[in-house]
Amino acid sequence: GAVVSQHPSWVICKSGTSVKIECRSLDFQATTMFWYRQFPKQSLMLMATSNEGSKATYEQGVEKDKFLINHASLTLSTLTVTSAHPEDSSFYICSARRLAGTYEQYFGPGTRLTVT
Amino acid sequence: AQSVTQLDSHVSVSEGTPVLLRCNYSSSYSPSLFWYVQHPNKGLQLLLKYTSAATLVKGINGFEAEFKKSETSFHLTKPSAHMSDAAEYFCVVIGTYKYIFGTGTRLKVLA
Repeated sequence: GAVVSQHPSWVICKSGTSVKIECRSLDFQATTMFWYRQFPKQSLMLMATSNEGSKATYEQGVEKDKFLINHASLTLSTLTVTSAHPEDSSFYICSARRLAGTYEQYFGPGTRLTVT
Repeated sequence: AQSVTQLDSHVSVSEGTPVLLRCNYSSSYSPSLFWYVQHPNKGLQLLLKYTSAATLVKGINGFEAEFKKSETSFHLTKPSAHMSDAAEYFCVVIGTYKYIFGTGTRLKVLA
């Protein structure tokens, strides 16, 4: 149990367009989901924390108007990269936490975004 | 504040020899610690976790880690490396319900 999926697994988009990445908890309800960004050969950087039905909490330095996060249900969170630029190219990973008060996160397989 | 330091950015071992990946932590309270593995272009897979129960934690694929409070360490070990163990390994500590990641250790296994 505790499977998290992401879609798409990879995406190529043109500069100036927007792209949406979905994160789904397949066999459990996730009250909290996290979005991370990972540059090549680096660790994961937390971008934002989203709780179902409320606004996401963004980490310092992350542009909330550029990285729109929606957590409309207990099994789905989306990250939309708006007006993408080549510097937004990265590996984006989501994770989900089962219940409030617990701490273990279950990670998705990641989405490779390339902006040309 | 909680933090983890992975002492080696790269580790190379020969197949069949022991693996040691080092992690030191800093925490103002009893920490929860994890080791994750990431293969290229993949998500993270949990190897093992420490949550203040037994100090020697056994994980998947033959990995284990020992929590040593006196040394503030949580090193990951495996008696015999396999080629499939080549990957990036992350030590993680819980900080205010968020994960605090180490910088990662890239394990290379030589044939």
